[in-house]
Amino acid sequence: GENVEQHPSTLSVQEGDSAVIKCTYSDSASNYFPWYKQELGKGPQLIIDIRSNVGEKKDQRIAVTLNKTAKHFSLHITETQPEDSAVYFCAASDTGRRALTFGSGTRLQVQP
Amino acid sequence: ETGVTQSPTHLIKTRGQQVTLRCSSQSGHNTVSWYQQALGQGPQFIFQYYREEENGRGNFPPRFSGLQFPNYSSELNVNALELDDSALYLCASSLAGGGTDTQYFGPGTRLTVL
Repeated sequence: GENVEQHPSTLSVQEGDSAVIKCTYSDSASNYFPWYKQELGKGPQLIIDIRSNVGEKKDQRIAVTLNKTAKHFSLHITETQPEDSAVYFCAASDTGRRALTFGSGTRLQVQP
Repeated sequence: ETGVTQSPTHLIKTRGQQVTLRCSSQSGHNTVSWYQQALGQGPQFIFQYYREEENGRGNFPPRFSGLQFPNYSSELNVNALELDDSALYLCASSLAGGGTDTQYFGPGTRLTVL
């Protein structure tokens, strides 16, 4: 089955800096890659997603890149703010399977 | 638009007991997926329900079972609870056939097994 690895496990940045979180996946059939933000005591919130027919997608300060050949995808957050502090999860699936396989999470701390 | 809701918020059970968790999907969604999230880990897929039928299952034993109702709400049942079942149980709804399959999560039910 699919296996998703996520790095780093913790990331501390200064407010205004950029943050990058990287994930690799194992199943070449995977074609859908969402990113979720989870705050303490809450469920995961979708922040951006990308499909395999696209190499990059951007939404304001958040961008995701996908390299299908290398089987890795990354989340980029620019101009970080204290409210960006949370745990971020990457995930992968193929539309036939529909189940999401999650990475182990990255705890992002933005220092004011 | 109503988001995904789950009940109860917290639950404490003892080993060997049975538990039922409930989920109401986002309006317009016809598919419900359940995930188990142990402390400090990513969510793990338990199973998915579409049109009241199980539509995929992860690596969980048969004592984890579910139901989906005509209004697309869902239940997760766990029998013979074990200490390792202590976790946050997440429900996610999506629209199968809608072209995106994007899953939206509820706030979760925190289950503690003593």
